[in-house]
Amino acid sequence: AQSVTQLDSQVPVFEEAPVELRCNYSSSVSVYLFWYVQYPNQGLQLLLKYLSGSTLVESINGFEAEFNKSQTSFHLRKPSVHISDTAEYFCAVSEKAAGNKLTFGGGTRVLVKP
Amino acid sequence: ETGVTQTPRHLVMGMTNKKSLKCEQHLGHNAMYWYKQSAKKPLELMFVYNFKEQTENNSVPSRFSPECPNSSHLFLHLHTLQPEDSALYLCASSQRGQGLASPLHFGNGTRLTVT
Repeated sequence: AQSVTQLDSQVPVFEEAPVELRCNYSSSVSVYLFWYVQYPNQGLQLLLKYLSGSTLVESINGFEAEFNKSQTSFHLRKPSVHISDTAEYFCAVSEKAAGNKLTFGGGTRVLVKP
Repeated sequence: ETGVTQTPRHLVMGMTNKKSLKCEQHLGHNAMYWYKQSAKKPLELMFVYNFKEQTENNSVPSRFSPECPNSSHLFLHLHTLQPEDSALYLCASSQRGQGLASPLHFGNGTRLTVT
């Protein structure tokens, strides 16, 4: 069975500072990896995904995540956050043979302060 | 504007009531899902439907009854719920069978409070 651990439940950060959200997973087979973002009073939106190829993936709003197979990690980073990045971020994993059955981490709440 | 619409956005019900949550997807997807999001807990997958057929039930109590009349609509019928069932219920859809993983598209959820 697969599992996802997000070590930080909350991350306060000042505007224009960098942020890193940690995600580690466990699985005995090859996986797909995802980051979703949930803004207040909304559902989850896909932020970025790793399926294959380059281990560094980027989103359109400046986030990036790097797949590290040896460390079974998929940490999310942004070099300079905005107030609008205040949200909850979820890491998720899907075994390649299991289709779209996602296992989610517990989420990390990012609070960007002015 | 989300391609997955959930109604109602908020629902308060007593433990003896019967209510239904509705989900509609406008993305042409062939799979739909119900997730439960409780405070301080990871998202829990409840049910999965592929081509209108239920393919997964994650040991969900029978007081939750899903219905998928077609690939665009998904319902969650609720009866004799418990206060611990209070949560945000999220519907999602995806396109299965494309080789690479098709990401889930979520609705904005129904905030359910059981009194």
